[in-house]
Amino acid sequence: EPEVTQTPSHQVTQMGQEVILRCVPISNHLYFYWYRQILGQKVEFLVSFYNNEISEKSEIFDDQFSVERPDGSNFTLKIRSTKLEDSAMYFCASSYTGTGSEQYFGPGTRLTVT
Amino acid sequence: GENVEQHPSTLSVQEGDSAVIKCTYSDSASNYFPWYKQELGKRPQLIIDIRSNVGEKKDQRIAVTLNKTAKHFSLHITETQPEDSAVYFCAAPPYQGGKLIFGQGTELSVKP
Repeated sequence: EPEVTQTPSHQVTQMGQEVILRCVPISNHLYFYWYRQILGQKVEFLVSFYNNEISEKSEIFDDQFSVERPDGSNFTLKIRSTKLEDSAMYFCASSYTGTGSEQYFGPGTRLTVT
Repeated sequence: GENVEQHPSTLSVQEGDSAVIKCTYSDSASNYFPWYKQELGKRPQLIIDIRSNVGEKKDQRIAVTLNKTAKHFSLHITETQPEDSAVYFCAAPPYQGGKLIFGQGTELSVKP
């Protein structure tokens, strides 16, 4: 069964550094999402992406964040200047249609900002 | 604004008992209600979902009920087993968009 994959599984970075989290969504899916989960808390929506552009973003997704689909398979989340409070698990998800359709989650990238 | 409330936050049951987790949502346009199971350190995995045109859906020991008038939906797990122990999240899209708003999660512990 196809799966969403993410790399790296764990990223440690110093405050102020840039990080890029990578995701490979399921190949025939058209909608892509990033969520984050601070340890012990609920999953929070960051951004959705369709047709090569952002379709919606949350308040968390400020100017420090950006997303890109550089080629036909990868979907990346960049944090330009990391803060301590960016430490969390970041999940990529994809779905075939945008609404009422199962979202398949990747295994996550644990980001630790020191 | 968009909100999904989930209760209880923790639930402990004996093996073989039933477990019920409840969620309420705020946006009456929501039409899709998935439930995810998350084991420690793992990804959320969909276990069951329901759409607004039905009131109940069952898959073996798991069932979900939906009350659109009251804007709440519930997860029912019967004959619980220790491997059901995990955190369960409900979710809803706030309108016709794709993003999911998650509840706060319920940590289910099934004691042998």
